[in-house]
Amino acid sequence: GAGVSQSPSNKVTEKGKDVELRCDPISGHTALYWYRQSLGQGLEFLIYFQGNSAPDKSGLPSDRFSAERTGGSVSTLTIQRTQQEDSAVYLCASSFDRFYEQYFGPGTRLTVT
Amino acid sequence: DAKTTQPNSMESNEEEPVHLPCNHSTISGTDYIHWYRQLPSQGPEYVIHGLTSNVNNRMASLAIAEDRKSSTLILHRATLRDAAVYYCILRDSSNTGKLIFGQGTTLQVKP
Repeated sequence: GAGVSQSPSNKVTEKGKDVELRCDPISGHTALYWYRQSLGQGLEFLIYFQGNSAPDKSGLPSDRFSAERTGGSVSTLTIQRTQQEDSAVYLCASSFDRFYEQYFGPGTRLTVT
Repeated sequence: DAKTTQPNSMESNEEEPVHLPCNHSTISGTDYIHWYRQLPSQGPEYVIHGLTSNVNNRMASLAIAEDRKSSTLILHRATLRDAAVYYCILRDSSNTGKLIFGQGTTLQVKP
């Protein structure tokens, strides 16, 4: 079956602009996670959705970052007023439930110039 | 979240077994031991997980010490495709299921 998909695969934006990153999880997966991986850094957790609610937003680095999930499916991560330090690969993962293995998408590479 | 310690890098020859160690001396009773790997330019991929008993699946085996303070991921016959960063992660069954990644072990497989 189809895996987790993310779009766009690459995004170049100017400092100060807003960007939206999209994640389509595997159908039927109730849990959805966003992570990011900066150049030379490890993977860091951003936010967790169970259904449409986000009980854990503890990894969002600032209030410029927000995310939503609609219909228990698609999720959008929005970064407002992008900064150069936001440049990273943003990864989305979904799982059948929070206790099951996570399936990752290919990521969106964001470059802020 | 409890921490794990892994060697930064390891090397293996193709078609030989590989043992990737992980120390987790502060593991709690509800922590599951998960392994993920990340191939170059890809998102992480689930490998295996366990709680107390050794586990086997089509990708690998997981050997867990009796005191659970360490574990070893075993790739029975390494292939070039197994070259990746391997992450050992402790996942608390009572939390949100988020994965806390460390630096992992970069495995190089030589032909």
